[in-house]
Amino acid sequence: DTGVSQDPRHKITKRGQNVTFRCDPISEHNRLYWYRQTLGQGPEFLTYFQNEAQLEKSRLLSDRFSAERPKGSFSTLEIQRTEQGDSAMYLCANGQLDQETQYFGPGTRLLVL
Amino acid sequence: AQSVTQLDSHVSVSEGTPVLLRCNYSSSYSPSLFWYVQHPNKGLQLLLKYTSAATLVKGINGFEAEFKKSETSFHLTKPSAHMSDAAEYFCVVSHPSNDYKLSFGAGTTVTVRA
Repeated sequence: DTGVSQDPRHKITKRGQNVTFRCDPISEHNRLYWYRQTLGQGPEFLTYFQNEAQLEKSRLLSDRFSAERPKGSFSTLEIQRTEQGDSAMYLCANGQLDQETQYFGPGTRLLVL
Repeated sequence: AQSVTQLDSHVSVSEGTPVLLRCNYSSSYSPSLFWYVQHPNKGLQLLLKYTSAATLVKGINGFEAEFKKSETSFHLTKPSAHMSDAAEYFCVVSHPSNDYKLSFGAGTTVTVRA
């Protein structure tokens, strides 16, 4: 157990619906990353925060995706108007500033029907 | 730019025999390198990491990896496979200039035969 939790663990939704995922990091770690992992592939970077500031968004993150980290604690990732191509595992990782190790949560597996 | 290539998509070994998972990296700078393991329906667990100290890195569960700059490789080994080693393994690279964003290989699936 890395101390990083994600909720829900599984989500099934219909195309066009909105979904929101939550990540609760290790409290003293100020960097939080989101990755997406599609079937048979390694995770790919989506976005990251340093405290409450979102510092970078991957080109993989279309305008239907939004992420927040209010008060530099937990983070949410919202997908609007879901598409079947959004089906994937969404992983949250936590790390310390200027330290390379990231600790991953168990992920949220999304299936869009 | 940074990337990793895992040379084998699938490795099958007998229990008690050695395991070798191959990884080559590409980086404009001296990178940090990691191996993560992912068991079915589980999150990613850090096995070991290299961060410019000793080139032979020991990790958890008997795994170790050797950083070879001349070959741009970071292969993962274990002397004797156990059934519980069956999982997906990812070689990963990062660097401070890239804000420690992780770049993953495509993964190697390990199966262990009884």
